[in-house]
Amino acid sequence: GIQVEQSPPDLILQEGANSTLRCNFSDSVNNLQWFHQNPWGQLINLFYIPSGTKQNGRLSATTVATERYSLLYISSSQTTDSGVYFCAVTGRGSTLGRLYFGRGTQLTVWP
Amino acid sequence: DAGVTQSPTHLIKTRGQQVTLRCSPKSGHDTVSWYQQALGQGPQFIFQYYEEEERQRGNFPDRFSGHQFPNYSSELNVNALLLGDSALYLCASSLAGEQYFGPGTRLTVT
Repeated sequence: GIQVEQSPPDLILQEGANSTLRCNFSDSVNNLQWFHQNPWGQLINLFYIPSGTKQNGRLSATTVATERYSLLYISSSQTTDSGVYFCAVTGRGSTLGRLYFGRGTQLTVWP
Repeated sequence: DAGVTQSPTHLIKTRGQQVTLRCSPKSGHDTVSWYQQALGQGPQFIFQYYEEEERQRGNFPDRFSGHQFPNYSSELNVNALLLGDSALYLCASSLAGEQYFGPGTRLTVT
């Protein structure tokens, strides 16, 4: 299967700071999604971004499929941004539709 | 428009018992996938259902089985529960693309 590596594993920020989370994947992918998992376990969709750049408010994401990585940018972080951020990809061919997840980045934002 | 729903929210079972978890997909979605998330890990793919058939399966034993109904809702069954089956079980639905997750069922096996 596809290996997904996320870095850093943990990130601690002061409110208002900016951050960049990275996701590397080991093979060509069909889709890539970023999620935020809240303390209750709910996975919230942030971006569906197999390639290119997208922005949604203070968050933006860039995927460079040819170099097999994606970046999630969080600007002016708030305490409500705390939680675990997951990158997940789907492969091609026989594994199409199956999401492979990284181990996540645990983000803590202090007031 | 209701999102993905799962029931029950929490469940406590004893080793050796059987459990059934349920999932209703987002309106208009026809594909349902199940994932297991152990504490501190990313979700792991169990299997995926489309048109009432298992289309893909991850590296899980036959104790894990599922079903999809004509209305696209789905069940996950786990037989002969082990302590290691304690986890958050997530259901996701999709329509040939982006996947959306339900709130999960937290299963504790004692």
